[in-house]
Amino acid sequence: DAGVIQSPRHEVTEMGQEVTLRCKPISGHDYLFWYRQTMMRGLELLIYFNNNVPIDDSGMPEDRFSAKMPNASFSTLKIQPSEPRDSAVYFCASSLDRAPYEQYFGPGTRLTVT
Amino acid sequence: GQQVMQIPQYQHVQEGEDFTTYCNSSTTLSNIQWYKQRPGGHPVFLIQLVKSGEVKKQKRLTFQFGEAKKNSSLHITATQTTDVGTYFCAGPDSGTYKYIFGTGTRLKVLA
Repeated sequence: DAGVIQSPRHEVTEMGQEVTLRCKPISGHDYLFWYRQTMMRGLELLIYFNNNVPIDDSGMPEDRFSAKMPNASFSTLKIQPSEPRDSAVYFCASSLDRAPYEQYFGPGTRLTVT
Repeated sequence: GQQVMQIPQYQHVQEGEDFTTYCNSSTTLSNIQWYKQRPGGHPVFLIQLVKSGEVKKQKRLTFQFGEAKKNSSLHITATQTTDVGTYFCAGPDSGTYKYIFGTGTRLKVLA
């Protein structure tokens, strides 16, 4: 298996622009997670899905952030409009619904908003 | 809400020295996971501990889950340069599949 796939790997955009991050989880995995990592705040869970249904989006910072999972093999995280404080590495991870509930992380998208 | 803290935040060791990172949760955990993130990389799962007082070993790495299931530790014996990275513990928010990651310990190994 190719593992979790994320695109793009790097994104540089200007403040106010829309940004869409993409994730393809490992086939057969039940859960999909979106994380944000910064030096200041560490690794934060933004939202997670179970069988394509959003379960907990309490970590989404504000209405500018939205996430969708239209099918089992694809998810997007959208920021509109983007702000400089959104600059971070965004990771997507997936896992099976059984012990040890190991999360497989993708390589991440490094987002820079200028 | 649930918080997971790790100490130390940073640790520099000489190659061959031992290293320990400690993880403390504000709530009792049903299980705890450990991940390693190499510089510029992504977190990679190392292990899960479930039982109170559980100890597991992976070569030079020893993982322990506290008796009260609120703390855990990772000990590396005779560090090598390949051990460089940030080590995270993660515990589930009660009754959910939402794992709260610790603050991480960044390990540097000096050759």
